[in-house]
Amino acid sequence: AQTVTQSQPEMSVQEAETVTLSCTYDTSESDYYLFWYKQPPSRQMILVIRQEAYKQQNATENRFSVNFQKAAKSFSLKISDSQLGDAAMYFCAWASSGAGSYQLTFGKGTKLSVIP
Amino acid sequence: KAGVTQTPRYLIKTRGQQVTLSCSPISGHRSVSWYQQTPGQGLQFLFEYFSETQRNKGNFPGRFSGRQFSNSRSEMNVSTLELGDSALYLCASSLEGPGGSTDTQYFGPGTRLTVL
Repeated sequence: AQTVTQSQPEMSVQEAETVTLSCTYDTSESDYYLFWYKQPPSRQMILVIRQEAYKQQNATENRFSVNFQKAAKSFSLKISDSQLGDAAMYFCAWASSGAGSYQLTFGKGTKLSVIP
Repeated sequence: KAGVTQTPRYLIKTRGQQVTLSCSPISGHRSVSWYQQTPGQGLQFLFEYFSETQRNKGNFPGRFSGRQFSNSRSEMNVSTLELGDSALYLCASSLEGPGGSTDTQYFGPGTRLTVL
């Protein structure tokens, strides 16, 4: 079974600084997708960034970027120039690209606090 | 375009009762997934529907069931409620379902179910 591990239950960062959230996963598949979702106190899950495993180039979305290491099965999220609005739970998730799966597998999450 | 909507937002039930939660996907999305979120277990996949067919089901007892209508709206039902069913139930919609080559899951605000 696929598993997703986020080893940092909580992290904090000073406003305007950079923080990196870690995620590792375990799968025997070669083609899959990885995601980072943000869940603020309002509880609405929001997609932050998405990475296709077959792409070597790391995905970026404005201040958010990932470091995808396929061989190491690692998928970390870097938030640059942290803002107060970045404070939230961040979930790493995995999805197979193969037929018959149709589900996201989530990590336990990392609670990010932003210090003014 | 309107986002994913879930009704009701909050629900209080007593043990032994049954409950039905509703999810309206983004217009044009044919895949609807359901997840249960609890502090202890995190986010767990319940089931996924595509064009009125259940394509995948998570490891939940038969008390949890769902269906999808021809307009892609989905309902999930929990019968004989137990205290442990208290959770945030999240619905997500997408064009093709998790793992689709260009697909992204968009989440609703969730339904907070409390079982007394």
